[in-house]
Amino acid sequence: KAGVTQTPRYLIKTRGQQVTLSCSPISGHRSVSWYQQTPGQGLQFLFEYFSETQRNKGNFPGRFSGRQFSNSRSEMNVSTLELGDSALYLCASSPGTSGRDTQYFGPGTRLTVL
Amino acid sequence: DAKTTQPPSMDCAEGRAANLPCNHSTISGNEYVYWYRQIHSQGPQYIIHGLKNNETNEMASLIITEDRKSSTLILPHATLRDTAVYYCIVRVAEGGGGADGLTFGKGTHLIIQP
Repeated sequence: KAGVTQTPRYLIKTRGQQVTLSCSPISGHRSVSWYQQTPGQGLQFLFEYFSETQRNKGNFPGRFSGRQFSNSRSEMNVSTLELGDSALYLCASSPGTSGRDTQYFGPGTRLTVL
Repeated sequence: DAKTTQPPSMDCAEGRAANLPCNHSTISGNEYVYWYRQIHSQGPQYIIHGLKNNETNEMASLIITEDRKSSTLILPHATLRDTAVYYCIVRVAEGGGGADGLTFGKGTHLIIQP
């Protein structure tokens, strides 16, 4: 079974621009969670989508948003990019029907903001 | 979710067993212990999880103390490819759903020496 895929793998943007990242979950998984990883803050939870609805949200500003499609694929968007948004963005998928579900991570998208 | 304490780094000789400790003294009765690892700049990889009984899979063994206040991840025959940051996470896992974000600490940087 194919794993979680993320596109693009690398991205360079400038301050003020916006960016959209994509995540395709493991086949059959309906939950997609997004995380940001920076050297200073480590891995932090952004939000989780299940059945096209945001079900949980971390402590990030409204510039960070996401959506999920009927095929469970998810996108996250960051508007008005800041230098501090440079990070590895990870998505994780799980079946989503139980709190005991294990989350499986993709390889990440490395975003650099200049 | 309860917090965990892990040593920042450990060394282990190739071919020997690597024993990674984790303290979770405030764990609640409904919280599972999860272990993930992250090889440099890749997405975290799920290793194993457990509630109160010891668990074993093809990657590792998880030993949880009887009082559940600490656990040890054991890699039985460490190889150079096991060099990574290992994260111990405790999370509530009950109810019918809701993939709350995983709370990652700083983890243990395990270095396998040739």
